[in-house]
Amino acid sequence: QSALTQPASVSGSPGQSITISCTGTSSDVGTYDYVNWFQQHPGKAPKVLIYAVNKRPSGISNRFSGSKSGTTASLIISGLQADDEARYYCNSLTRSGTWVFGGGTKVTVL
Amino acid sequence: EVRLEQSGAELRKPGTTVKVSCKASGYSFTDYYIHWVQEAPGRGLEWMGLVDPENGETIYAERFQDRVTITADTSTNTSFMELSSLSSEDTAIYYCSPGGDFDPWGQGTLVTVSS
Repeated sequence: QSALTQPASVSGSPGQSITISCTGTSSDVGTYDYVNWFQQHPGKAPKVLIYAVNKRPSGISNRFSGSKSGTTASLIISGLQADDEARYYCNSLTRSGTWVFGGGTKVTVL
Repeated sequence: EVRLEQSGAELRKPGTTVKVSCKASGYSFTDYYIHWVQEAPGRGLEWMGLVDPENGETIYAERFQDRVTITADTSTNTSFMELSSLSSEDTAIYYCSPGGDFDPWGQGTLVTVSS
């Protein structure tokens, strides 16, 4: 199972909106609505921001939103803040019942 | 509050085996799968496998299939991940997390493989 494809890096200025893509195949992202997004700050455990494509856990800011079209899922961060500087990962359930992660995207706040 | 408490850092020699534990609290342990994820330096997150605490059934990633064993003990609400034939490439932080939404994660366990 190949990793999902994410851009290596994305940057934006404070207050701007950025979008991180996560491209899979018809065997994972394209088939299931089990796509999650995680934020990881250096030295910390990952934290879920979005689950099941577009659902936010309690306590997660509504500046984070998710969507999916075909085999590509997207995480949108609006009103970019300094604390959003982190690494972001997507993952998806696959047809074989396994899970696969994306390679991760480093977000830089300019 | 849902919490996953993992065991402490481990140092192992190449060719040996390590066993990491993950104790769950704050929810019904048998209601959700437990996933195990590897974070190796420069390699991002990689899903290793899962266990269904309800019946002990497991699914493993192909890359780890031959070397990993994941179990769950319902008497102590604890999951275990055992990785054998260790090499320097297994030096990593290992995390556990429950359910399809992977929420929350344990604090991570650093495993260092060095001669």
